[in-house]
Amino acid sequence: DAGVTQSPTHLIKTRGQHVTLRCSPISGHKSVSWYQQVLGQGPQFIFQYYEKEERGRGNFPDRFSARQFPNYSSELNVNALLLGDSALYLCASSLDGTSDGELFFGEGSRLTVL
Amino acid sequence: AQSVTQLGSHVSVSEGALVLLRCNYSSSVPPYLFWYVQYPNQGLQLLLKYTSAATLVKGINGFEAEFKKSETSFHLTKPSAHMSDAAEYFCAVSYSGGYQKVTFGTGTKLQVIP
Repeated sequence: DAGVTQSPTHLIKTRGQHVTLRCSPISGHKSVSWYQQVLGQGPQFIFQYYEKEERGRGNFPDRFSARQFPNYSSELNVNALLLGDSALYLCASSLDGTSDGELFFGEGSRLTVL
Repeated sequence: AQSVTQLGSHVSVSEGALVLLRCNYSSSVPPYLFWYVQYPNQGLQLLLKYTSAATLVKGINGFEAEFKKSETSFHLTKPSAHMSDAAEYFCAVSYSGGYQKVTFGTGTKLQVIP
């Protein structure tokens, strides 16, 4: 079975631009979460979506938004990019989105903002 | 706010030696605790988790961790290191109720010396 897939794997943007990152969860998983991992740090929670609704949001500005589609895939959008948005963006899926559940991570989308 | 602290950003051990990676959490309520591993150019993978059952948790690849409430610790151990254990290890915490927000530590890079 396919794992969590993310696209694109790498991308370069300039300040002020917009970016869309995509994620396909493991088949049967209804929850998708997004994390930002800055070099040398642990992943930081951005959003969780479950059954197409936002369940939770981390401490990120409104420039960050996301959505989940009927097939449970998800998009993360970041507007007005800043240099500090350069990071590895990780998508994780879980079966039912519960607090004690296992997260299954994709390999990430590495964003560089110049 | 929930948090975890990992002592030592880099740990080096000889092949065959004991691996000990330290993690302490801050919490006023019972947590769920996790160890994830990140191999180079791969997504994070769950090693093991504590969800209030047995305090000694066994995971994959010979790793185990012990939940000690009195010390607010969840240290990861493996009796004998293999070269293939070289990776970055993240301790993480979440709490029951609400949504699946997992808070990660800053990570410990394990180097295994032949």
